[in-house]
Amino acid sequence: DAGITQSPRHKVTETGTPVTLRCHQTENHRYMYWYRQDPGHGLRLIHYSYGVKDTDKGEVSDGYSVSRSKTEDFLLTLESATSSQTSVYFCAINGGPRNTEAFFGQGTRLTVV
Amino acid sequence: AQSVTQLDSQVPVFEEAPVELRCNYSSSVSVYLFWYVQYPNQGLQLLLKYLSGSTLVKGINGFEAEFNKSQTSFHLRKPSVHISDTAEYFCAGIGSNYKLTFGKGTLLTVNP
Repeated sequence: DAGITQSPRHKVTETGTPVTLRCHQTENHRYMYWYRQDPGHGLRLIHYSYGVKDTDKGEVSDGYSVSRSKTEDFLLTLESATSSQTSVYFCAINGGPRNTEAFFGQGTRLTVV
Repeated sequence: AQSVTQLDSQVPVFEEAPVELRCNYSSSVSVYLFWYVQYPNQGLQLLLKYLSGSTLVKGINGFEAEFNKSQTSFHLRKPSVHISDTAEYFCAGIGSNYKLTFGKGTLLTVNP
C-alpha cells in the first residue's frame, strides 16, 4: 500500500471553530489533492498541490485553505467550520507522468455541530 | 464546467449479466483517464487507467474500458458481474498541472 496517512480519522467540532486536517505521504510524490465526498456529488476537488508551496483551487474551495511547506505534508484548514462542511474528506497523491496512478488515504469523517 | 461526466447515477443488474458504466470527458482533461471503485465504507481503489496506446484497457476483477477519442468516452464494461462487484464506481481524468477530477459516481448494484 502507498504510504499515505490522514489525521485525524474522525473529528467532531463546533460551528465557527477552525479545523486542520493533515495528509502525510512517504512516497515523495509531487502532486497532492484534497477532496470531499458527499452523497450524490461524488468526489469534489477542494484544493490541490503541484509542488511545494504550489497550490491551486478546485471546484469547492470556498471556506477552505491549504498549505504545503514540504513535500510530504499537505494541510487542509477550515477557517471557520460550518455545518455544510460536514463530510468525508479524502487526500490523494500522484507521482506524475512516470507514475500516474493516484493513491488515496482512508478518509477523515468530519462532523460540524 | 464539469470535465468528467458519468451518465448514470445508479445501475442495477442481475448477477452474471453484462454491465456497462458510461463516462464522457471534456477537452479540459488530457487523455489520462481512470476508473476507480469504492466498496462500502472503504477508500478508493484503481480499477484501470488509460495513458496511451491500445484503446482497450484491461483492469482488475475482470473489468475493461475502451477509450474512444471521437466520442470522448471511456466506458467501463464487465461481461459477467458478481454480487461482490456491488460498489460505487468513479471515472476520473487529469487536466493541467495534474488536476485530477472525478465524475459524480455510478452505484452498481448486483442483485441475485
